[in-house]
Amino acid sequence: GAVVSQHPSRVICKSGTSVKIECRSLDFQATTMFWYRQFPKQSLMLMATSNEGSKATYEQGVEKDKFLINHASLTLSTLTVTSAHPEDSSFYICSATTGRTEAFFGQGTRLTVV
Amino acid sequence: GDSVTQMEGPVTLSEEAFLTINCTYTATGYPSLFWYVQYPGEGLQLLLKATKADDKGSNKGFEATYRKETTSFHLEKGSVQVSDSAVYFCALSRGWNNNDMRFGAGTRLTVKP
Repeated sequence: GAVVSQHPSRVICKSGTSVKIECRSLDFQATTMFWYRQFPKQSLMLMATSNEGSKATYEQGVEKDKFLINHASLTLSTLTVTSAHPEDSSFYICSATTGRTEAFFGQGTRLTVV
Repeated sequence: GDSVTQMEGPVTLSEEAFLTINCTYTATGYPSLFWYVQYPGEGLQLLLKATKADDKGSNKGFEATYRKETTSFHLEKGSVQVSDSAVYFCALSRGWNNNDMRFGAGTRLTVKP
């Protein structure tokens, strides 16, 4: 299957700083990428949908100014957690699709804010 | 809105036991149904899927049949192995691909030797 790579896989940052997470489709062009958040022992919650070259669509309750999403190319989307706080600590997962096939998931990024 | 309800875990089985993880869904239209597996510290891997009623998805000894009449997509395996220990997520998508997905809460399976 197609490969989606997330980087970093783990990150620890200080409260108040910003963290950028990258999601790359390695062997296909992803017109659409999705960002999910997973709390411990809970399911994935869709945060936002991003289409290449346009603004992301955020799910209800997700602060777009806090979780900045950029999908500037067909192989890269980034999620920036701005002014991170301990409650932002979570597992963030992206998925990517060409729009004509199923979406493929990255391996996830565990963010810990201290 | 669309949703997925999954059997709560954790589930603990002995090696070679039979596995069933129940999953039911609520959706308008005809969603596609999926099972994903998440191993410790990793992302999600697609295990199997079914795109229309009566389809059976299968992979690595796991099976699930899309039952429209009971709105279910139960996961089964005849003989589990220790390596099957993971969290299993049932999910649906409104389209034929897995855009705009809704996930169940996940079921943690532990298989003991």
